[in-house]
Amino acid sequence: EEQVVESGGGLVQFGGSLRLSCAASGFTFGNYWMAWVRQAPGKGLEWVANIRRDGSAIHYVDSVKDRFSISRDNAKNSLYLQMHSLRDEDTAVYYCVRDVSPSSGGRYYDAFDLWGQGTMVTVSS
Amino acid sequence: AIQMTQSPPSLSASVGDRVTITCRASEDIRNELSWYQQKRGKAPKLLIYAASSLQSGVPARFSGSGSGTEFTLTISSLQPEDFATYYCLQDSNYPRTFGQGTKVEIK
Repeated sequence: EEQVVESGGGLVQFGGSLRLSCAASGFTFGNYWMAWVRQAPGKGLEWVANIRRDGSAIHYVDSVKDRFSISRDNAKNSLYLQMHSLRDEDTAVYYCVRDVSPSSGGRYYDAFDLWGQGTMVTVSS
Repeated sequence: AIQMTQSPPSLSASVGDRVTITCRASEDIRNELSWYQQKRGKAPKLLIYAASSLQSGVPARFSGSGSGTEFTLTISSLQPEDFATYYCLQDSNYPRTFGQGTKVEIK
């Protein structure tokens, strides 16, 4: 069975750090772009960051640039999100997401076809 | 960042109704848009990618259309399991941005 399982969430103080992990299984992890998407309590979805199959390209939403770092270890089938200088607005469920990247007409699209159950990060001030 | 505006924010409908949700982009995103369904307490589920391509395993009552700045998700005959919140997501530019969601409730 294909799955991704997040871990590492918890309660952290304002300004603190946390590292999220995502363990992938049941598929060839290194063949896929991966992403983190978060959802604050009672709010909508927010794309946070993504990383190319080999880690050679990375993108972030502006609000986390210079504070968060996405990385992957294809040998360990794992995705990570290192978070520093955490703020109240970072409180959310963080989802690890696989991008199946379907192609058509020479263009690759985002398609987040596999989601984890999420891990909750709570920033306490 | 590209702004994605969904309408309506919520709607009430009955089983068997045809439901249409609209997503508007603040600039031309060609057909670089996907749709997701999220039920309470669950992770989102991919329905549509590239504006109109149905994800494998998704019932054919779901369809997507549009290009440029205006897109629609249509449920041709609403089923009890379709009551959920729906989100669009643009993948034309970074950062990727979601719409704010449309909650479909039982009338």
